[in-house]
Amino acid sequence: EDQVTQSPEALRLQEGESSSLNCSYTVSGLRGLFWYRQDPGKGPEFLFTLYSAGEEKEKERLKATLTKKESFLHITAPKPEDSATYLCAVSDLQSAGNKLTFGGGTRVLVKP
Amino acid sequence: DSGVTQTPKHLITATGQRVTLRCSPRSGDLSVYWYQQSLDQGLQFLIQYYNGEERAKGNILERFSAQQFPDLHSELNLSSLELGDSALYFCATTGPGTGELFFGEGSRLTVL
Repeated sequence: EDQVTQSPEALRLQEGESSSLNCSYTVSGLRGLFWYRQDPGKGPEFLFTLYSAGEEKEKERLKATLTKKESFLHITAPKPEDSATYLCAVSDLQSAGNKLTFGGGTRVLVKP
Repeated sequence: DSGVTQTPKHLITATGQRVTLRCSPRSGDLSVYWYQQSLDQGLQFLIQYYNGEERAKGNILERFSAQQFPDLHSELNLSSLELGDSALYFCATTGPGTGELFFGEGSRLTVL
């Protein structure tokens, strides 16, 4: 069974204080690893897809990286508007239908 | 805006009742996924339909059922509701070959 574990559960940052979020995963065969941002009471918003170890993707202050066992989401010089819950998910090659298995998320609070 | 539309946004009902949640996918998307998000469980996959056919099933209770209609909209039916069914219910769709899910804004169900 696919498993996704995210750490830490919560992160409080000062504006400008860079940090990293961790996503450890176990799958039979990785089809893709996905990062989402979720604001309170809203649906998850797609950020990145990573397909193979060594791959990196960037968007504004966010950078996602992937190894064979984990992924990191680096937040560089965060701003208060980066406050959100960040979700990691995996799609398993052996699962029917491309469903995503999500981790519990990391709640990020960036204080001005 | 993901292009995925869910109704109703909020729903308050009593234990033992039945409700129907509706999802309209993005134009051209054939797959619909349903997820449940509660405070203690995170995002849990319920069921997936592809072009009207059930494609994958997750942790969906027997009291819950879903279907996808010829116009590709989907409905999630929840019956004999219990207090523990209170949650956010998300619908998501995906384009062909991309893998990433695009989520609607969710339906917040409160069972009293």
